[in-house]
Amino acid sequence: KAGVTQTPRYLIKTRGQQVTLSCSPISGHRSVSWYQQTPGQGLQFLFEYFSETQRNKGNFPGRFSGRQFSNSRSEMNVSTLELGDSALYLCASSLRPVDSPLHFGNGTRLTVT
Amino acid sequence: QKEVEQDPGPLSVPEGAIVSLNCTYSNSAFQYFMWYRQYSRKGPELLMYTYSSGNKEDGRFTAQVDKSSKYISLFIRDSQPSDSATYLCAGSEAGNQFYFGTGTSLTVIP
Repeated sequence: KAGVTQTPRYLIKTRGQQVTLSCSPISGHRSVSWYQQTPGQGLQFLFEYFSETQRNKGNFPGRFSGRQFSNSRSEMNVSTLELGDSALYLCASSLRPVDSPLHFGNGTRLTVT
Repeated sequence: QKEVEQDPGPLSVPEGAIVSLNCTYSNSAFQYFMWYRQYSRKGPELLMYTYSSGNKEDGRFTAQVDKSSKYISLFIRDSQPSDSATYLCAGSEAGNQFYFGTGTSLTVIP
């Protein structure tokens, strides 16, 4: 079974631009979560989607948004990029929204210059 | 105070040693716990998923949860150079939004 697929793997953007990251979950997994990973803060929860609905949201500004499609694929968008948004963005899928382990993709490395 | 605290290391051990990795958490409502291994330039790879207290064993890995002291541990037996990676612990109250430690860097020396 294929794992979680994230595209693109690397992105370089300029301050003020916006970016869209894509995630395809493991087949049959209906819950998708997004995390930001930085050296200083570790993994921080962004949001979680199940059945195209956002169920939970972390403590990030409104510039960070996401959505989930009917096939469970998900995208996250960051508008008006700041230097501090440089990070590894990880998508994780799980079978159910609760009581189910997270399976991560290899992430999208975003660099903002 | 972070929800999950983890000693960043680095930890260096000889091949074949038993490795003990530890985390503490602050939220007494946490019931779900996970351990991940992350290699450089890769995403976290799930090692163990446990619910509530007690031990769980999978091959060379044993996860231990002590809810009374809010302490979680991962033991690696017969450590191999291929175990060299960063290890992440995580906890959750309802099994959806997980809080992660910042990771412990482990090097196993041949």
